[in-house]
Amino acid sequence: GAVVSQHPSWVICKSGTSVKIECRSLDFQATTMFWYRQFPKQSLMLMATSNEGSKATYEQGVEKDKFLINHASLTLSTLTVTSAHPEDSSFYICSARDWGFGNTEAFFGQGTRLTVV
Amino acid sequence: RKEVEQDPGPFNVPEGATVAFNCTYSNSASQSFFWYRQDCRKEPKLLMSVYSSGNEDGRFTAQLNRASQYISLLIRDSKLSDSATYLCVVGDSGGYQKVTFGTGTKLQVIP
Repeated sequence: GAVVSQHPSWVICKSGTSVKIECRSLDFQATTMFWYRQFPKQSLMLMATSNEGSKATYEQGVEKDKFLINHASLTLSTLTVTSAHPEDSSFYICSARDWGFGNTEAFFGQGTRLTVV
Repeated sequence: RKEVEQDPGPFNVPEGATVAFNCTYSNSASQSFFWYRQDCRKEPKLLMSVYSSGNEDGRFTAQLNRASQYISLLIRDSKLSDSATYLCVVGDSGGYQKVTFGTGTKLQVIP
């Protein structure tokens, strides 16, 4: 089946620094990717929809200047957490759908556990 | 009201038991429905899609009731390896097919 690879799987950074997370679709082209955040014991919350070649669409309450999304190719989307703070510590996960499969299953990256100290 | 609601549990059941999870969704225009399984600190993985006619995959049976906006998952003959969080996922009818996750129901199967 389709595979989505996310990197890094975990990162610890100092408060005020920026962190970039990559999401790649390995064997299919993804014009759209989704970025989620999951706090402990809570559900996955959609942060933004990443569109290849155009601006991302952010969900209400998500700061677009803080969470920079770039989707420059059909197989790569990146999320940059700028000026990270401890409250940004969370599990970030991307997903994409392989429309060529003819179904609507969402494939997920392995997730990135971000800890800001 | 949350878009997708689930009982968070935890459900603690003995091996071999049958357990059922329920999920309700608020958007009547929703088009696709899934159950995902998420193990601790791992990404969600598709367990099964849910169809209007109901569908079964081994020990797992999923049902959809569009009139009541209700989805269920039944697990028969529970195994220790079934211990996980089960996420109800609903897809909208928009062009991007955005999906919304329930909070998940935690299942712990006890020896």
